[in-house]
Amino acid sequence: KQEVTQIPAALSVPEGENLVLNCSFTDSAIYNLQWFRQDPGKGLTSLLLIQSSQREQTSGRLNASLDKSSGRSTLYIAASQPGDSATYLCAVIGIQGAQKLVFGQGTRLTINP
Amino acid sequence: DVKVTQSSRYLVKRTGEKVFLECVQDMDHENMFWYRQDPGLGLRLIYFSYDVKMKEKGDIPEGYSVSREKKERFSLILESASTNQTSMYLCASSPSGTGYGYTFGSGTRLTVV
Repeated sequence: KQEVTQIPAALSVPEGENLVLNCSFTDSAIYNLQWFRQDPGKGLTSLLLIQSSQREQTSGRLNASLDKSSGRSTLYIAASQPGDSATYLCAVIGIQGAQKLVFGQGTRLTINP
Repeated sequence: DVKVTQSSRYLVKRTGEKVFLECVQDMDHENMFWYRQDPGLGLRLIYFSYDVKMKEKGDIPEGYSVSREKKERFSLILESASTNQTSMYLCASSPSGTGYGYTFGSGTRLTVV
């Protein structure tokens, strides 16, 4: 059974820092990995989708990498801003999973002005 | 942009009531999903559907049913609401096939009293 783990569970950094969020998964047989952002009480906003054949994806100040063989992904946020404060969720679609997303528990990020 | 619309942001219902949560997507996606999200438990899949009139149980289907009479609409039904069904409910959709990400709605916060 696929399991997704995100470390750390919470992170607080001063504004302007570059930071890395980590995601690991136990079964490397995946189709995709998707990073989401969730603001308190709101739904999930898709940030980046990495297909299994890709190594990374970039959108603005965000860069996500995928190392399928080791079961790891990182989300890099450059020049963090207070507006980046949110919970970040990593999820994978496994080849055995019938197109179902399996989520990590998330990293709650706080950027201090 | 794909839109997934959940009809209610907040709902308060009484124990024993039959509750309908509605979800509509506007991009002709084949797949639709219902998740619930609880602190400490993360996102858990309740039901999903690959096509009209098709449904599959997720990880926690007990106490719920679903209906998909039209491709764009996927309804979650709580047959007899209980207090342990107080939660945030999230609907999502995706195209069929691999290589695609999910799009989520803004969520429905359901409180059962």
